[in-house]
Amino acid sequence: EVPLVESGGGLVQPGGSLRLSCLASGFTLSSYWMSWVRQAPGKRLEWVGNIKQDGGEKYYVDSVKGRFTISRDIAKNSLYLQMNSLRAEDTAVYYCARHHLTAFDIWGQGTMVTVSS
Amino acid sequence: QSALTQPASVSGSPGQSITISCTGTSSDVGGYNYVSWYQQHPGKAPKFMIYGVNNRPSGVSDRFSGSKSGNTASLTISGLQAEDEADYYCSSYTSSNNWVFGGGTKVTVL
Repeated sequence: EVPLVESGGGLVQPGGSLRLSCLASGFTLSSYWMSWVRQAPGKRLEWVGNIKQDGGEKYYVDSVKGRFTISRDIAKNSLYLQMNSLRAEDTAVYYCARHHLTAFDIWGQGTMVTVSS
Repeated sequence: QSALTQPASVSGSPGQSITISCTGTSSDVGGYNYVSWYQQHPGKAPKFMIYGVNNRPSGVSDRFSGSKSGNTASLTISGLQAEDEADYYCSSYTSSNNWVFGGGTKVTVL
């Protein structure tokens, strides 16, 4: 059983939208802070944003504020990343990751998002 | 939020020890004991190696250790092995309620 599985990536035109999903297995997603982290091809890891256990607090890196929204569905034990007004610089592998012990202890396998015309 | 500063590459021979530095500011590395380290092999997801500056999760070899002094954290790999060849990233919590990663360090086993 893979703890975190992302899906929803693909090719999208600049200015378009995409919603990524992250299905959690083996633990209750709503018991942990959860983050999205991305990695552009050949580049470093970049934290995108996170959501508190109760969904009451969300934080984002400046470059995606106002364009990306993190949400979750407790019943489906799933995390989402709604991405709007996509830009070429948003092209990356997107990982969901669980927060535990002051770190990101579990990562999904990632889903690739390509923004190109 | 600027990335934490790591050397682009570090190399060592099998059996040697190497240290990777991770420099931030008093608003991130220096202000919190929330520094963690990740190992990433090509095409794979990152793997959690160190948390809380100097703690190892279960299953991680004791050849990996972490430390911090001021605004700089460090990861030391002792008894370097071929399987340690990978990219390594540090991460820290920040005063802006954000998280930041380092630029990454490529470790080469000669």
